[in-house]
Amino acid sequence: GAVVSQHPSWVICKSGTSVKIECRSLDFQATTMFWYRQFPKQSLMLMATSNEGSKATYEQGVEKDKFLINHASLTLSTLTVTSAHPEDSSFYICSARSQYQETQYFGPGTRLLVL
Amino acid sequence: AQSVAQPEDQVNVAEGNPLTVKCTYSVSGNPYLFWYVQYPNRGLQFLLKYITGDNLVKGSYGFEAEFNKSQTSFHLKKPSALVSDSALYFCAVRVNSNTNAGKSTFGDGTTLTVKP
Repeated sequence: GAVVSQHPSWVICKSGTSVKIECRSLDFQATTMFWYRQFPKQSLMLMATSNEGSKATYEQGVEKDKFLINHASLTLSTLTVTSAHPEDSSFYICSARSQYQETQYFGPGTRLLVL
Repeated sequence: AQSVAQPEDQVNVAEGNPLTVKCTYSVSGNPYLFWYVQYPNRGLQFLLKYITGDNLVKGSYGFEAEFNKSQTSFHLKKPSALVSDSALYFCAVRVNSNTNAGKSTFGDGTTLTVKP
């Protein structure tokens, strides 16, 4: 149980385009979802926390207009990287937790490459 | 404020030998503690957690961890390492609260390399 999926797993796009990444909890209701960014051989950087039906809470230094997060249902959250630039290239990982779980479960990640 | 320290960037062990990956934490209140493993180009996989009860926690793939309140540590251990255990390991902490709210803080990760 406690499976989290992400789509797509890989995306390559041109600079200036927007990219949407989906995160789904497949067998539980995710009242809270987290979005992380990870650079090579580095730790996770929390970008934002979202609770279902509420606006996301962004970490300091993360542009909310650049990284749009929607958590419209208990099984789906999306991260949209708007007007992507090469410096946005990274590994993006979502994580989900229900109100009944202590543990947060992670998706497999999405590798974004902006040319 | 809460924090996690993984003092070793890299741990190298020989296959068949015991392994330890260290983690210390700081939190205001009682902690939830977690270990995750990450293989290349993958998300994090949950290994084990300490919530309450026995200080020795057993998890997936033969891993275990011991909660030590006095030393504020939660070291990950395995009696006999496998080459396939080679990966990046993360320790995480969150405050234990009735609302189960709040975000976890992750350590910087420790790369474990098990050599045949």
